[in-house]
Amino acid sequence: AQSVTQPDIHITVSEGASLELRCNYSYGATPYLFWYVQSPGQGLQLLLKYFSGDTLVQGIKGFEAEFKRSQSSFNLRKPSVHWSDAAEYFCAVGHASGGSYIPTFGRGTSLIVHP
Amino acid sequence: DAGVIQSPRHEVTEMGQEVTLRCKPISGHNSLFWYRQTMMRGLELLIYFNNNVPIDDSGMPEDRFSAKMPNASFSTLKIQPSEPRDSAVYFCASSSGQGAGETQYFGPGTRLLVL
Repeated sequence: AQSVTQPDIHITVSEGASLELRCNYSYGATPYLFWYVQSPGQGLQLLLKYFSGDTLVQGIKGFEAEFKRSQSSFNLRKPSVHWSDAAEYFCAVGHASGGSYIPTFGRGTSLIVHP
Repeated sequence: DAGVIQSPRHEVTEMGQEVTLRCKPISGHNSLFWYRQTMMRGLELLIYFNNNVPIDDSGMPEDRFSAKMPNASFSTLKIQPSEPRDSAVYFCASSSGQGAGETQYFGPGTRLLVL
């Protein structure tokens, strides 16, 4: 079965600093990988996704992620963090089933941004 | 598009009462998902539908939980009888049902508190 590990429960950065959130997955075949963001009291919003092609994926809000098969990783990055990026970030790996896809989510990483 | 709509946004009830959560997916989407989010267990998939048919309900915790999708624009998740351990945020999500790599769009969630 597929699984996702987000080793960092909390990450604290200063506004303007660079950010990298780690994600490791376990999946037997080519993975479909996602990063979602959840602001307080809100649902999840897709930041970016990877399922084929270029291993460096660009997303919304200036985020990018790089798929590294050899490391089973899909780390999320942003060169300069804004205070509004403070939120919970979820990595997910999905597999196709029954005409749709089933994501398995990590436990999330809470991003704290200091002014 | 209004996005995925969930109601109510907040629900407080007493143990033993019936609780019904409602979801309206994005128009044209063929797949609908119910998730539960708790601090202890993270984000769990409870059940998902494709073309109004339940495909996988293995995540439904027990018989007290039931879900229906009578038509393409409406789904309910019912808990009867409710228990304090059911307190959580319940999310509904929908997608186009086009297979792996598709994007799930989440509703804002229903925050349930069972006293």
